[in-house]
Amino acid sequence: DSGVTQTPKHLITATGQRVTLRCSPRSGDLSVYWYQQSLDQGLQFLIQYYNGEERAKGNILERFSAQQFPDLHSELNLSSLELGDSALYFCASSAGTGTYNEQFFGPGTRLTVL
Amino acid sequence: TQLLEQSPQFLSIQEGENLTVYCNSSSVFSSLQWYRQEPGEGPVLLVTVVTGGEVKKLKRLTFQFGDARKDSSLHITAAQPGDTGLYLCAGVDSNYQLIWGAGTKLIIKP
Repeated sequence: DSGVTQTPKHLITATGQRVTLRCSPRSGDLSVYWYQQSLDQGLQFLIQYYNGEERAKGNILERFSAQQFPDLHSELNLSSLELGDSALYFCASSAGTGTYNEQFFGPGTRLTVL
Repeated sequence: TQLLEQSPQFLSIQEGENLTVYCNSSSVFSSLQWYRQEPGEGPVLLVTVVTGGEVKKLKRLTFQFGDARKDSSLHITAAQPGDTGLYLCAGVDSNYQLIWGAGTKLIIKP
């Protein structure tokens, strides 16, 4: 158990809809990262938040947005969903300080867009 | 843009065999991490290597960081079915961001 929690575990929705994925980082971690992983693919970095502020952006679509709240949990919002958005979405957290940036991953949310 | 290339992309071998997975870049990293991911689960950190030439061992797994800190290897001795998974390397760049390799999918057949 990494200490990172993600909800929901599974999500099935239709094209054009909007969903929200939730992540709670490990106790004490200030950084939250969001990743997308399509079937049999590597991890695609979407976005990072550190202590409530956006820190880095990867290949995140304009239809996607995220935020980190004062209690440090984070939400990833996906809108105008397309079939190609079906994937595993992972949240990871790290202390956010130091040079190693070791990340601890949650169990993921499997999103299926029909 | 920094890139990390992993090879091979896919490897299927028999139980008991040895294997090596490579992670290469033209860029220097301050440190490099290896993760293992099992199907349907999140990646789990195996090791972080920091110093050029560093070798770390985790039971039957041996990790090495290249002298110039541009490449790394993972060697598994006497592979077991429990080693099956996706192995990912990730280098820490000058902005403390992780640059991820595409992964090596490893299958160990009993």
